[in-house]
Amino acid sequence: AQKITQTQPGMFVQEKEAVTLDCTYDTSDQSYGLFWYKQPSSGEMIFLIYQGSYDEQNATEGRYSLNFQKARKSANLVISASQLGDSAMYFCAMREGRSGSGYSTLTFGKGTMLLVSP
Amino acid sequence: DSGVTQTPKHLITATGQRVTLRCSPRSGDLSVYWYQQSLDQGLQFLIQYYNGEERAKGNILERFSAQQFPDLHSELNLSSLELGDSALYFCASSVGPGTGELFFGEGSRLTVL
Repeated sequence: AQKITQTQPGMFVQEKEAVTLDCTYDTSDQSYGLFWYKQPSSGEMIFLIYQGSYDEQNATEGRYSLNFQKARKSANLVISASQLGDSAMYFCAMREGRSGSGYSTLTFGKGTMLLVSP
Repeated sequence: DSGVTQTPKHLITATGQRVTLRCSPRSGDLSVYWYQQSLDQGLQFLIQYYNGEERAKGNILERFSAQQFPDLHSELNLSSLELGDSALYFCASSVGPGTGELFFGEGSRLTVL
């Protein structure tokens, strides 16, 4: 079974609108972390936002926020006021295991391609 | 700029050959990770090193090997290359072995002809 599921292969949004990219995850660990990365056409992977499983508040970083619903095992990325430069592939990822355990690899979803139109 | 440096950025080689990809982590980061990104498999974790020691192994083929040197840079060696090895290979680093986000390099794009 996939550990990270991104059900939207592609999303379209108009500039200045908000968009939500879906991510569900599967883990039996109590301690885990959820990440979102952006990959523009140039190829580099850019870290956007992080949510720890014990964090009570949803993470926010500028125009990015993470809608964390633990019971539903979802960690959706919300981008407010989309910009043309937001057009990219977006990956949700999960780190399982306790912090400091030495096992901190990230498992990535298949990604969602976001296209922002003028 | 993430601070993670990967070389070469592009590499074209033939089947059966061997290549070495190099990664310098961010200053202060002790953990290095290698990932492979291909169209059909997505982003796959290959291997992790922390302060010179192997910490975790993912879907790394036996034809592939890696190491982390005392100066913390890492190399990924790919041998007996096949067409299916064509992919974008990322190196990432983090401060510790189990905390924080991973900072990725720009990747090394390998094309096997």
